Parts: sequence; C-alpha cells; structure tokens
Amino acid sequence: SQTIHQWPATLVQPVGSPLSLECTVEGTSNPNLYWYRQAAGRGLQLLFYSVGIGQISSEVPQNLSASRPQDRQFILSSKKLLLSDSGFYLCACPPAGSGDTGELFFGEGSRLTVL
Amino acid sequence: GQNIDQPTEMTATEGAIVQINCTYQTSGFNGLFWYQQHAGEAPTFLSYNVLDGLEEKGRFSSFLSRSKGYSYLLLKELQMKDSASYLCAVLDSNYQLIWGAGTKLIIKP
Repeated sequence: SQTIHQWPATLVQPVGSPLSLECTVEGTSNPNLYWYRQAAGRGLQLLFYSVGIGQISSEVPQNLSASRPQDRQFILSSKKLLLSDSGFYLCACPPAGSGDTGELFFGEGSRLTVL
Repeated sequence: GQNIDQPTEMTATEGAIVQINCTYQTSGFNGLFWYQQHAGEAPTFLSYNVLDGLEEKGRFSSFLSRSKGYSYLLLKELQMKDSASYLCAVLDSNYQLIWGAGTKLIIKP
C-alpha cells in the first residue's frame, strides 16, 4: 500500500533561519507530488507541484522553493524564514489506482512554528 | 475570484444526525471532495461527487447540486470519534483543488 513519510514532524525555527522539509513516497512510482500549507482558519494552499524529477511548478510567489531530486522524494526549502511561514505543511500525491479524479492522499504533515 | 464557503464550527450530540453545508463559486467544475481531518493530523478522503445527487457510504453521505453550487455532507449516528474538521474542496476547470477553510464539528455526549 501507499505511504508518505514527512520529516521532521514538528519544528520551531527563528525568523531568518533556513528550512528543509522532506517528503518520501512509497508504494507508487512516478507520482505527481504536491506541497500544501494549512494556516489556522484557512483552506489548504497549494505551494508547489511536480510531475517528475526536476520538474517543479510554483503556485504562489514567496520565499519558499521546492526540489525533486528523486522520483519519490520532494523537498521544501527556504533560505530565510518569515513569521508568515508558520503553518502545517502537507505533502500529497494521488492514491494509486484513483485515476484522474483529483483525489489526494496526504502525508502526516510537518508543523512549523517561526518565532 | 474562487470561493468555497463552509460554516466555521458546528456542534451536535452523539447518536444524532448533522449536515455540513458547502457552497462554491469556482472557474469551472470537475468534482467536489469531502475530507475529514482530526486535530493535528492529515486530511483523509471521505467522498467524491461529480454528478448531481446523493452518494452514500455507510454513515456518511454527500450530496451535490451543480446548478446551485452547493454540496452537503451528512453524518448519521454520530460517534465521539467523528469530532474533527470537515474540508470541502472543488476541482476547478484547470484541475486545481480549491479548498474551503473547513468546518470544525464538536460532538457532545
């Protein structure tokens, strides 16, 4: 079965520090991968998506970046965090066998607090 | 702009029935999803509607009216474990998911 591992699960970082969140997918090959952010009281915001190795599309201009060095690895980074980067970061991909309905399967999430 | 509206919070009693509404205004429509999200956890898929009508899945049902831009999630025989946030999301004409802010459902004994 399909799994998505995200780490770290929780982190507290000072403003201006760098960030690296990792996502690894198992149980599927060549998946479309997504990074979402969920802020308190707001809907999920799509940050980046990738259809393959080295292919990244950015949905929202900001101080974050993403990379896909391997088929099943998706990394979210920042060189200098802002207070507004605080939130719950979710990695997602379509469930194996779901077709093109748009359904997503989510990882456990990484909760970032910027102080 | 694109918009998904859901109530912020609802309260219901264990064993009862609750209906969570969702209205949407999006550029095109390619399906509507309901997800359940327990506090501190990831969302999990509940239902998918692309045609008008009611889809039933055990204690949960989801209804869609495309002409009205409206959906609801119906939860029957409520259990304490149903306490969670319920997220409505619409797939627009570009096949991008537009998410509502979620409805926090509180179940009281």
